[in-house]
Amino acid sequence: KAGVTQTPRYLIKTRGQQVTLSCSPISGHRSVSWYQQTPGQGLQFLFEYFSETQRNKGNFPGRFSGRQFSNSRSEMNVSTLELGDSALYLCASSQDRHYGYTFGSGTRLTVV
Amino acid sequence: KQEVTQIPAALSVPEGENLVLNCSFTDSAIYNLQWFRQDPGKGLTSLLLIQSSQREQTSGRLNASLDKSSGRSTLYIAASQPGDSATYLCAVLEETSGSRLTFGEGTQLTVNP
Repeated sequence: KAGVTQTPRYLIKTRGQQVTLSCSPISGHRSVSWYQQTPGQGLQFLFEYFSETQRNKGNFPGRFSGRQFSNSRSEMNVSTLELGDSALYLCASSQDRHYGYTFGSGTRLTVV
Repeated sequence: KQEVTQIPAALSVPEGENLVLNCSFTDSAIYNLQWFRQDPGKGLTSLLLIQSSQREQTSGRLNASLDKSSGRSTLYIAASQPGDSATYLCAVLEETSGSRLTFGEGTQLTVNP
């Protein structure tokens, strides 16, 4: 059974650009959540999508957005990148919150 | 607002030692609690999931306990090995937070051969 797949693994972008990250959940999982991990702030919740609808949202500016497709794959977009957006972005999928969450390997974003 | 604290922040032990990692949370109205490990630069690997109605869960050399009323969980690692070296994170899911996990800062464990 394939795990959670995140692409790309590494990205280097210039300040002011935008970026799109992709996450393919475990087959059958309809919930996909996104987290940002930085040394200073730890792991912070960005948002969750379920059946193509945003169901939950963290405290991030509107530059951070996402969407989910009918096959449950999700994308996260960050516009007008800032140096502080440099982080490891992790996605997690779940069949139901009762069964816990499975995380992907993450996308390391560096903004220069 | 839920806050999760993990103590100690770092731990270095000789191989073969039994050890305990601690996790505390401020709001006891949790749905479940999940322990993860993270290797440097990698994603999170789920270790154990404890529902709010459970007291403990075991997997191999790992045992996690939960005392919901006092807001505490512990992860016990028996007979530690160098391959156990990683950062260990606990995450709580509140009853009313939907899918939002709240993480502690982690305990960085080093097991020396």
